[in-house]
Amino acid sequence: ETGVTQTPRHLVMGMTNKKSLKCEQHLGHNAMYWYKQSAKKPLELMFVYNFKEQTENNSVPSRFSPECPNSSHLFLHLHTLQPEDSALYLCASSQDASMAAYGYTFGSGTRLTVV
Amino acid sequence: GNSVTQMEGPVTLSEEAFLTINCTYTATGYPSLFWYVQYPGEGLQLLLKATKADDKGSNKGFEATYRKETTSFHLEKGSVQVSDSAVYFCALSEYSGGGADGLTFGKGTHLIIQP
Repeated sequence: ETGVTQTPRHLVMGMTNKKSLKCEQHLGHNAMYWYKQSAKKPLELMFVYNFKEQTENNSVPSRFSPECPNSSHLFLHLHTLQPEDSALYLCASSQDASMAAYGYTFGSGTRLTVV
Repeated sequence: GNSVTQMEGPVTLSEEAFLTINCTYTATGYPSLFWYVQYPGEGLQLLLKATKADDKGSNKGFEATYRKETTSFHLEKGSVQVSDSAVYFCALSEYSGGGADGLTFGKGTHLIIQP
């Protein structure tokens, strides 16, 4: 158990579907992150939340919509995705954004396939 | 912007061989440097880190030294085991003070250890 839990572990969705990814941490951290991991590419930072406020949106298309209702939960809402959005989506947390130098705790990821 | 370059894989070694995975970085200031490891089907785990020049991070027999003069953070292990087979990511964090920048990752190096 890493301390960061992501659900579901696997998701297959059609291009017209709407689904949500969930991330939960009980480490007392105040910063949470979404990363996209595609084959043969570096991990891409998508969104950063620090104390529930979004501080970074790394030019992510609007078909990805994050939500952070409290410091322990982070969602990624998905709609009208494209096949190239198929990837492993990783959630991470840290004490706060300025403490990133101490490292992150990652979840196991959601493997998303868009058909 | 910041970037991390690490050697392409896969790297295939025999058990008990010496391991080196090269990592170099580009950053505007004085980043913290990390190695993360990803085992099959799992998220990333922090392996070791170094926060300033000449620091040596170590864990589970792995070591890496922060070399500012060569902007490098090469990962080494004296005698690898089959259980070390995984993907290894070099990363840096540089908090700008104006917001959270997250971690910048390399593409990852797939390490395969044969018995």
